Amino acid sequence: DADVTQTPRNRITKTGKRIMLECSQTKGHDRMYWYRQDPGLGLRLIYYSFDVKDINKGEISDGYSVSRQAQAKFSLSLESAIPNQTALYFCATSDLYALGDTGELFFGEGSRLTVL
Amino acid sequence: AQTVTQSQPEMSVQEAETVTLSCTYDTSESNYYLFWYKQPPSRQMILVIRQEAYKQQNATENRFSVNFQKAAKSFSLKISDSQLGDTAMYFCASFQPFNAGGTSYGKLTFGQGTILTVHP
Repeated sequence: DADVTQTPRNRITKTGKRIMLECSQTKGHDRMYWYRQDPGLGLRLIYYSFDVKDINKGEISDGYSVSRQAQAKFSLSLESAIPNQTALYFCATSDLYALGDTGELFFGEGSRLTVL
Repeated sequence: AQTVTQSQPEMSVQEAETVTLSCTYDTSESNYYLFWYKQPPSRQMILVIRQEAYKQQNATENRFSVNFQKAAKSFSLKISDSQLGDTAMYFCASFQPFNAGGTSYGKLTFGQGTILTVHP
């Protein structure tokens, strides 16, 4: 089983619908992230979290919200989906950064969202 | 703010040949790390190689090696003896530690990606 699991893997929805993408991890990491991948733009950070009480906006958080239900679960919501939110979404985790750590992130397999 | 630029949207190479993917970055920090990630059609993000900025020696992982030019802020990936399984999107990324509200984080900034196709 994957260490970082995202559901759903693929989703097609209509403009204005509420969508939730879920992420769970078994790596025991504190830090979790949501990224969005678009062609020609690479991956961009949406939100990141240290624990259930710590949520931070990334560079493209408008139109998104998140919930850290537990250390192992981090959900991304689109309250009212629009077509330009069509993208591939990745959840990632990392351990506590300390001097000497190389900062590797561990990714889920991605959730492809299409908003019609 | 960090920026990472990959100027080659697509590259192709013949099987068994060598190919180099380019990446430049910009950061004002002295402590950072650089990565190359591979994304095959399965969409999985796979770490290929990492480089600590404070190390002068170029990192090597089997057929993959980097040419890290710190002064020029350049971080290219060389794939030797290319294989069909190397066909994928490759992302260059820069990791920078930072603090937010007293908590340490690491932010990974990605380039735009290079699609590499290995031909038989």
